[in-house]
Amino acid sequence: NAGVTQTPKFQVLKTGQSMTLQCAQDMNHEYMSWYRQDPGMGLRLIHYSVGAGITDQGEVPNGYNVSRSTTEDFPLRLLSAAPSPTSVYFCASSYSRWGGGTQYFGPGTRLTVL
Amino acid sequence: AQTVTQSQPEMSVQEAETVTLSCTYDTSESNYYLFWYKQPPSRQMILVIRQEAYKQQNATENRFSVNFQKAAKSFSLKISDSQLGDTAMYFCAFASNTGNQFYFGTGTSLTVIP
Repeated sequence: NAGVTQTPKFQVLKTGQSMTLQCAQDMNHEYMSWYRQDPGMGLRLIHYSVGAGITDQGEVPNGYNVSRSTTEDFPLRLLSAAPSPTSVYFCASSYSRWGGGTQYFGPGTRLTVL
Repeated sequence: AQTVTQSQPEMSVQEAETVTLSCTYDTSESNYYLFWYKQPPSRQMILVIRQEAYKQQNATENRFSVNFQKAAKSFSLKISDSQLGDTAMYFCAFASNTGNQFYFGTGTSLTVIP
């Protein structure tokens, strides 16, 4: 199994640009989520999904959209990027809700907005 | 909202010695889950240990153990026989049993000195 995969690994955007971060898992997990990690900070939940067709907001949802058309894929769309130092975006999946299941994290996407 | 506090930004320990990382949290819920995650320089998020709040027994995973004090809302991680590969950022995290949110602390940077 590949586990959780994310593309791209690195990305530089200009202010105002948008892009989609891809996330896929091959473990048939129902639960998937997106986090962002800013310099010197812990991870903060952006959006999550409890199954295909069902998504909800996390702690910091503004400026992002998500969709979940299949169990395997959970793309994150960044809308109109604002200047910021490099942040890392993590995708994670688990077979059940957070407490009942271990979250498996992808390797992350490092994003810089100039 | 739940909060997770890690008051030690940086720590160091001699190889083969024992070190304890502190974590406190705030919640009004009685049932929840607590985690310690390790983030080495590769940035991969790796689950170290997990504790269910309704279990009084402290979790243990090989050289890693926790001291869970529910009344004090404290969840510390003890690493015994520290190894060079333990050098990493360590994040404490909280997950509610009733909601779908997952909260991380700001992390403790641990360096194991040869």
